Amino acid sequence: NAGVTQTPKFQVLKTGQSMTLQCAQDMNHEYMSWYRQDPGMGLRLIHYSVGAGITDQGEVPNGYNVSRSTTEDFPLRLLSAAPSQTSVYFCASSFSRTSELTDTQYFGPGTRLTVL
Amino acid sequence: GDSVTQMEGPVTLSEEAFLTINCTYTATGYPSLFWYVQYPGEGLQLLLKATKADDKGSNKGFEATYRKETTSFHLEKGSVQVSDSAVYFCALSSSGSARQLTFGSGTQLTVLP
Repeated sequence: NAGVTQTPKFQVLKTGQSMTLQCAQDMNHEYMSWYRQDPGMGLRLIHYSVGAGITDQGEVPNGYNVSRSTTEDFPLRLLSAAPSQTSVYFCASSFSRTSELTDTQYFGPGTRLTVL
Repeated sequence: GDSVTQMEGPVTLSEEAFLTINCTYTATGYPSLFWYVQYPGEGLQLLLKATKADDKGSNKGFEATYRKETTSFHLEKGSVQVSDSAVYFCALSSSGSARQLTFGSGTQLTVLP
């Protein structure tokens, strides 16, 4: 298994540009989520999904869109990038929506995004 | 709201030294507590967890005890190795779900030979 994969590893954008951060998992996990990591602030939840066709907002959803058309993929879209979105983005997945207390999240290696 | 406060780093230790990374939290109800580790160039990995007061989580020689009276979950290891060099994150979940996590800011640990 490749686990959780993210592409690209690095990206530089200009203000106003759009892009999609890709996330895929091959573990047949139902739950997937996106976090951003900023210096001195830890990781903050952007959006999450409990299964194909179902998404919901986390702590910091503004400026980001998500969709979940398949179990494997959970892309994060920036429609009009802003310098405040400069961050490291992590995708995570876990198996079951029922065993929540014992569930373990698996994280991807991250995408480092810079918006100029 | 929920919050996690971690000892600021970076922390530099010699091999075989004793490690403590402090973590305190503020949360409603009875949260579950976690330590995650991030090795260079990799994603976060769950290191250990505790789901109720007085539980001790342990893994790879690391331990942490859920202390409700002091709202703490300090990470300890008796003898660190160079391979333990990483960033360590304390996290909590107060929703009853291991997925809706609130993270601390992380502590960079460097172990010198």
